[in-house]
Amino acid sequence: GQQLNQSPQSMFIQEGEDVSMNCTSSSIFNTWLWYKQDPGEGPVLLIALYKAGELTSNGRLTAQFGITRKDSFLNISASIPSDVGIYFCAGGSSGAGSYQLTFGKGTKLSVIP
Amino acid sequence: GAVVSQHPSRVICKSGTSVKIECRSLDFQATTMFWYRQFPKQSLMLMATSNEGSKATYEQGVEKDKFLINHASLTLSTLTVTSAHPEDSSFYICSAIGTSGPDTQYFGPGTRLTVL
Repeated sequence: GQQLNQSPQSMFIQEGEDVSMNCTSSSIFNTWLWYKQDPGEGPVLLIALYKAGELTSNGRLTAQFGITRKDSFLNISASIPSDVGIYFCAGGSSGAGSYQLTFGKGTKLSVIP
Repeated sequence: GAVVSQHPSRVICKSGTSVKIECRSLDFQATTMFWYRQFPKQSLMLMATSNEGSKATYEQGVEKDKFLINHASLTLSTLTVTSAHPEDSSFYICSAIGTSGPDTQYFGPGTRLTVL
Protein backbone atom coordinates (compact mmCIF):
# COMPACT_ATOMS: atom_id res chain seq x y z
CA GLY A 1 0.00 0.00 0.00
CA GLN A 2 0.90 3.65 -0.05
CA GLN A 3 3.38 4.87 2.55
CA LEU A 4 4.36 8.29 3.75
CA ASN A 5 7.76 9.19 5.15
CA GLN A 6 7.40 11.93 7.72
CA SER A 7 10.37 13.68 9.27
CA PRO A 8 11.65 14.46 11.71
CA GLN A 9 10.21 11.90 14.12
CA SER A 10 10.62 14.26 17.03
CA MET A 11 12.04 17.67 17.77
CA PHE A 12 12.78 19.85 20.77
CA ILE A 13 12.75 23.58 20.20
CA GLN A 14 12.86 26.76 22.23
CA GLU A 15 9.73 28.84 22.53
CA GLY A 16 9.70 31.45 19.80
CA GLU A 17 11.61 29.37 17.28
CA ASP A 18 10.26 28.35 13.91
CA VAL A 19 9.56 24.70 13.11
CA SER A 20 9.52 22.79 9.86
CA MET A 21 8.43 19.23 9.14
CA ASN A 22 7.74 17.39 5.93
CA CYS A 23 6.28 14.32 4.32
CA THR A 24 7.31 12.52 1.18
CA SER A 25 5.79 9.66 -0.72
CA SER A 26 6.54 7.47 -3.68
CA SER A 27 2.87 7.82 -4.68
CA ILE A 28 0.85 10.76 -5.90
CA PHE A 29 -1.90 12.10 -3.67
CA ASN A 30 -4.90 14.22 -4.62
CA THR A 31 -4.85 16.15 -1.36
CA TRP A 32 -2.52 16.69 1.56
CA LEU A 33 -3.73 17.36 5.06
CA TRP A 34 -1.96 18.21 8.28
CA TYR A 35 -3.37 17.21 11.66
CA LYS A 36 -2.37 17.77 15.25
CA GLN A 37 -3.07 15.18 17.92
CA ASP A 38 -2.91 15.81 21.64
CA PRO A 39 -2.47 12.83 24.02
CA GLY A 40 -5.65 10.81 24.37
CA GLU A 41 -7.47 12.83 21.75
CA GLY A 42 -8.37 12.43 18.12
CA PRO A 43 -6.51 14.33 15.40
CA VAL A 44 -7.61 17.87 14.65
CA LEU A 45 -7.35 19.22 11.12
CA LEU A 46 -4.92 22.13 10.78
CA ILE A 47 -4.59 22.71 7.06
CA ALA A 48 -5.96 21.06 3.94
CA LEU A 49 -4.22 21.38 0.55
CA TYR A 50 -5.98 20.61 -2.69
CA LYS A 51 -3.75 21.68 -5.58
CA ALA A 52 -0.15 20.94 -6.50
CA GLY A 53 1.97 23.94 -5.62
CA GLU A 54 -0.66 25.38 -3.31
CA LEU A 55 0.65 27.33 -0.33
CA THR A 56 -1.84 27.85 2.49
CA SER A 57 -1.58 29.59 5.84
CA ASN A 58 -3.60 29.25 9.01
CA GLY A 59 -2.36 31.74 11.57
CA ARG A 60 1.23 30.82 12.43
CA LEU A 61 1.00 27.67 10.33
CA THR A 62 1.95 27.45 6.67
CA ALA A 63 1.80 24.35 4.52
CA GLN A 64 2.54 23.61 0.90
CA PHE A 65 1.42 20.91 -1.51
CA GLY A 66 4.49 19.84 -3.46
CA ILE A 67 4.48 20.44 -7.18
CA THR A 68 5.06 16.74 -7.86
CA ARG A 69 2.09 15.88 -5.58
CA LYS A 70 4.37 13.53 -3.69
CA ASP A 71 5.36 15.76 -0.82
CA SER A 72 4.24 18.46 1.56
CA PHE A 73 5.73 20.55 4.34
CA LEU A 74 4.34 22.28 7.39
CA ASN A 75 5.97 25.30 9.00
CA ILE A 76 5.10 26.72 12.40
CA SER A 77 6.41 30.18 13.13
CA ALA A 78 7.15 31.66 16.55
CA SER A 79 6.34 28.47 18.45
CA ILE A 80 4.48 28.63 21.75
CA PRO A 81 4.07 26.00 24.49
CA SER A 82 0.60 24.99 23.31
CA ASP A 83 2.09 23.88 20.00
CA VAL A 84 3.29 20.77 21.81
CA GLY A 85 1.79 17.61 20.36
CA ILE A 86 2.12 15.14 17.54
CA TYR A 87 1.70 16.40 14.01
CA PHE A 88 0.58 14.03 11.30
CA CYS A 89 0.58 14.52 7.58
CA ALA A 90 -2.00 12.63 5.56
CA GLY A 91 -2.30 12.05 1.86
CA GLY A 92 -5.75 11.75 0.40
CA SER A 93 -6.56 9.51 -2.53
CA SER A 94 -9.58 7.98 -4.18
CA GLY A 95 -9.82 4.27 -4.68
CA ALA A 96 -12.20 1.35 -4.46
CA GLY A 97 -15.13 3.74 -4.62
CA SER A 98 -14.20 5.73 -1.56
CA TYR A 99 -11.83 8.39 -0.40
CA GLN A 100 -9.09 7.39 2.02
CA LEU A 101 -6.32 8.98 4.00
CA THR A 102 -2.85 7.54 4.42
CA PHE A 103 -1.07 8.89 7.49
CA GLY A 104 2.56 9.60 8.13
CA LYS A 105 4.10 8.31 11.36
CA GLY A 106 3.98 11.67 13.04
CA THR A 107 6.35 14.32 14.32
CA LYS A 108 6.40 14.79 18.06
CA LEU A 109 7.00 18.43 18.90
CA SER A 110 8.26 19.58 22.28
CA VAL A 111 8.54 23.28 23.05
CA ILE A 112 10.84 24.42 25.83
CA PRO A 113 9.55 27.58 27.51
CA GLY B 1 -15.99 22.73 12.04
CA ALA B 2 -18.02 19.55 12.09
CA VAL B 3 -18.22 17.64 15.37
CA VAL B 4 -17.78 13.91 15.76
CA SER B 5 -18.29 12.21 19.10
CA GLN B 6 -17.36 8.77 20.36
CA HIS B 7 -18.72 6.77 23.25
CA PRO B 8 -17.33 5.51 25.50
CA SER B 9 -14.10 7.44 25.81
CA ARG B 10 -12.53 4.64 27.85
CA VAL B 11 -13.51 1.04 28.41
CA ILE B 12 -11.93 -1.80 30.33
CA CYS B 13 -13.22 -5.29 29.74
CA LYS B 14 -12.35 -8.88 30.46
CA SER B 15 -10.87 -11.12 27.81
CA GLY B 16 -13.56 -12.91 25.84
CA THR B 17 -16.22 -10.23 26.16
CA SER B 18 -17.51 -7.96 23.39
CA VAL B 19 -17.29 -4.20 23.39
CA LYS B 20 -19.32 -1.74 21.31
CA ILE B 21 -17.98 1.70 20.41
CA GLU B 22 -20.28 4.36 18.97
CA CYS B 23 -19.31 7.12 16.57
CA ARG B 24 -21.74 9.96 15.95
CA SER B 25 -21.65 12.97 13.67
CA LEU B 26 -23.39 15.60 15.77
CA ASP B 27 -24.13 18.43 13.37
CA PHE B 28 -23.89 16.92 9.92
CA GLN B 29 -24.84 13.82 8.00
CA ALA B 30 -22.01 11.45 7.24
CA THR B 31 -22.55 9.00 4.43
CA THR B 32 -19.06 7.62 5.03
CA MET B 33 -17.30 6.97 8.29
CA PHE B 34 -13.91 5.44 8.90
CA TRP B 35 -12.51 3.41 11.77
CA TYR B 36 -8.85 3.59 12.73
CA ARG B 37 -6.77 2.04 15.45
CA GLN B 38 -3.67 3.57 16.92
CA PHE B 39 -1.10 1.81 19.06
CA PRO B 40 1.01 3.85 21.50
CA LYS B 41 3.42 6.18 19.74
CA GLN B 42 2.24 4.90 16.37
CA SER B 43 0.33 6.42 13.51
CA LEU B 44 -3.31 5.86 12.67
CA MET B 45 -4.03 2.69 10.75
CA LEU B 46 -7.24 2.46 8.77
CA MET B 47 -9.30 -0.58 9.72
CA ALA B 48 -12.42 -0.17 7.64
CA THR B 49 -14.59 2.19 5.66
CA SER B 50 -18.22 2.31 6.69
CA ASN B 51 -20.93 3.45 4.29
CA GLU B 52 -24.46 4.09 5.48
CA GLY B 53 -26.80 1.25 4.61
CA SER B 54 -24.18 -1.07 3.18
CA LYS B 55 -21.50 -3.45 4.36
CA ALA B 56 -18.22 -2.04 5.56
CA THR B 57 -15.07 -2.39 3.50
CA TYR B 58 -12.23 -3.80 5.57
CA GLU B 59 -8.54 -3.22 5.04
CA GLN B 60 -6.28 -6.14 4.41
CA GLY B 61 -5.46 -8.00 7.59
CA VAL B 62 -8.47 -6.77 9.55
CA GLU B 63 -10.85 -9.55 10.57
CA LYS B 64 -14.38 -8.55 9.68
CA ASP B 65 -15.88 -11.18 11.97
CA LYS B 66 -13.95 -9.81 14.90
CA PHE B 67 -14.50 -6.13 14.24
CA LEU B 68 -18.18 -5.77 13.39
CA ILE B 69 -19.18 -2.45 11.88
CA ASN B 70 -22.73 -1.20 11.54
CA HIS B 71 -23.56 2.11 9.88
CA ALA B 72 -27.33 2.13 10.37
CA SER B 73 -27.96 5.85 9.95
CA LEU B 74 -26.34 8.95 8.51
CA THR B 75 -25.16 10.03 11.94
CA LEU B 76 -24.16 6.79 13.66
CA SER B 77 -21.64 4.04 13.07
CA THR B 78 -20.73 1.37 15.61
CA LEU B 79 -17.68 -0.81 15.97
CA THR B 80 -18.04 -3.99 18.01
CA VAL B 81 -14.91 -5.79 19.09
CA THR B 82 -16.04 -9.37 19.57
CA SER B 83 -14.35 -11.84 21.91
CA ALA B 84 -11.79 -9.25 22.84
CA HIS B 85 -8.25 -10.27 23.73
CA PRO B 86 -5.44 -8.28 25.35
CA GLU B 87 -3.83 -7.71 21.95
CA ASP B 88 -6.98 -5.81 20.92
CA SER B 89 -6.14 -3.16 23.50
CA SER B 90 -5.64 0.04 21.55
CA PHE B 91 -6.93 3.53 20.84
CA TYR B 92 -9.83 3.35 18.38
CA ILE B 93 -10.68 6.50 16.45
CA CYS B 94 -13.52 7.11 14.04
CA SER B 95 -13.83 9.83 11.46
CA ALA B 96 -16.55 11.08 9.17
CA ILE B 97 -16.64 12.86 5.87
CA GLY B 98 -18.56 16.10 6.19
CA THR B 99 -20.82 17.86 3.75
CA SER B 100 -17.98 20.16 2.70
CA GLY B 101 -16.67 17.34 0.58
CA PRO B 102 -14.75 14.08 0.75
CA ASP B 103 -11.39 15.74 0.96
CA THR B 104 -11.58 16.43 4.67
CA GLN B 105 -12.29 14.07 7.49
CA TYR B 106 -13.36 15.08 10.96
CA PHE B 107 -12.13 12.84 13.73
CA GLY B 108 -13.76 11.75 16.94
CA PRO B 109 -11.91 12.03 20.25
CA GLY B 110 -11.09 8.32 20.32
CA THR B 111 -11.89 5.37 22.60
CA ARG B 112 -9.24 3.78 24.76
CA LEU B 113 -9.91 0.03 24.98
CA THR B 114 -8.09 -2.03 27.56
CA VAL B 115 -8.66 -5.78 27.59
CA LEU B 116 -7.57 -7.54 30.76
